Amino acid sequence: DAGVTQSPTHLIKTRGQQVTLRCSPKSGHDTVSWYQQALGQGPQFIFQYYEEEERQRGNFPDRFSGHQFPNYSSELNVNALLLGDSALYLCASSLGLAGVEQFFGPGTRLTVL
Amino acid sequence: GIQVEQSPPDLILQEGANSTLRCNFSDSVNNLQWFHQNPWGQLINLFYIPSGTKQNGRLSATTVATERYSLLYISSSQTTDSGVYFCAVEGMIKAAGNKLTFGGGTRVLVKP
Repeated sequence: DAGVTQSPTHLIKTRGQQVTLRCSPKSGHDTVSWYQQALGQGPQFIFQYYEEEERQRGNFPDRFSGHQFPNYSSELNVNALLLGDSALYLCASSLGLAGVEQFFGPGTRLTVL
Repeated sequence: GIQVEQSPPDLILQEGANSTLRCNFSDSVNNLQWFHQNPWGQLINLFYIPSGTKQNGRLSATTVATERYSLLYISSSQTTDSGVYFCAVEGMIKAAGNKLTFGGGTRVLVKP
């Protein structure tokens, strides 16, 4: 049973560039959520996708956008990168939307120089 | 939105000791999960426990939803228990979706 997978593992970008992170959910799951974890803090919710639509969004600017594909995989795009976007980006998957257990991938560590 | 507070923020244990981690939350919840984050950043699911008590080996957890807190117990701690423990909740009052709100974590160091 494959767990949540993310790619790439690490990424280094410069200010102003754009980045795309990828996530494949756990087998059988249909909902994908993205979280940002700054150093020394707990993860912060970015947004959630279900049935290829953004269902809920946290307090993040429009520079953060996403997509969910028919096979339930998802992408997180960040435009006009800032130094403060340096963080661990975590993807979580679940079956359905409410009151269900979420499972996390290993994360993508993004460094913006 | 819902607030989640974890205590203590840091915990240093001698191998073999027992400990209790606490998570307080400010509103009713649909979901409460405990995670262990390893040094590489992976969040490992420990418990899905919106209410009641569960046990898994040396770990157990209790959530008292009516009083808005959850406890994670670590017994006979081992060095491999070191890391950061997070409590995360999904508030019952929500728009569509089930975002998790995380506490600040408890950083545990188990010394041999």
